[in-house]
Amino acid sequence: AQKVTQAQTEISVVEKEDVTLDCVYETRDTTYYLFWYKQPPSGELVFLIRRNSFDEQNEISGRYSWNFQKSTSSFNFTITASQVVDSAVYFCALSENQAGTALIFGKGTTLSVSS
Amino acid sequence: DSGVTQTPKHLITATGQRVTLRCSPRSGDLSVYWYQQSLDQGLQFLIQYYNGEERAKGNILERFSAQQFPDLHSELNLSSLELGDSALYFCASSDGGVGHEQYFGPGTRLTVT
Repeated sequence: AQKVTQAQTEISVVEKEDVTLDCVYETRDTTYYLFWYKQPPSGELVFLIRRNSFDEQNEISGRYSWNFQKSTSSFNFTITASQVVDSAVYFCALSENQAGTALIFGKGTTLSVSS
Repeated sequence: DSGVTQTPKHLITATGQRVTLRCSPRSGDLSVYWYQQSLDQGLQFLIQYYNGEERAKGNILERFSAQQFPDLHSELNLSSLELGDSALYFCASSDGGVGHEQYFGPGTRLTVT
């Protein structure tokens, strides 16, 4: 069965620190998709990135980077030089090819960045 | 702004009542998804519609139902409400393609008293 685990419930850092949010997934499907979403205090869910199971290339977008490793079933998210505006709940999610397009979410990691 | 709209933003009602949540997808998106976010269950998929037809069902209670209309907006109906139904209900839309990202609305916060 599909499952997404975000073992870190809460992380607190000081501005300018780098922080990595862990995501481990379980799936029996060979074709699947992984996502990260951000939920700031205002409550909306903001799409950050999508990766398919055939593309293990790491991605960098400004201060954000993602490391996808099929060997360890992980899709970790790193924020470099964190800022107060990065404070939010971050969700990792999985969608399986055979199960349709619904997203299975992890429990989320609450990131608090203090100045 | 994701382009997905949801009304109302907040809803307070009593146990046993029925409410309707409304969602308009992004322009061009044919698929609408409903999710429930609660403290104990996290974010859970409820149901998906694609171009007016039900496509997939998740952990949706029998007291809940949804539909998607010809103009592609969707409504989620919650009936015989219980205290445990208090949650944030999100609508998301996508083009419906497998593995494509979903864009979420601002959510409707339902409080059942």
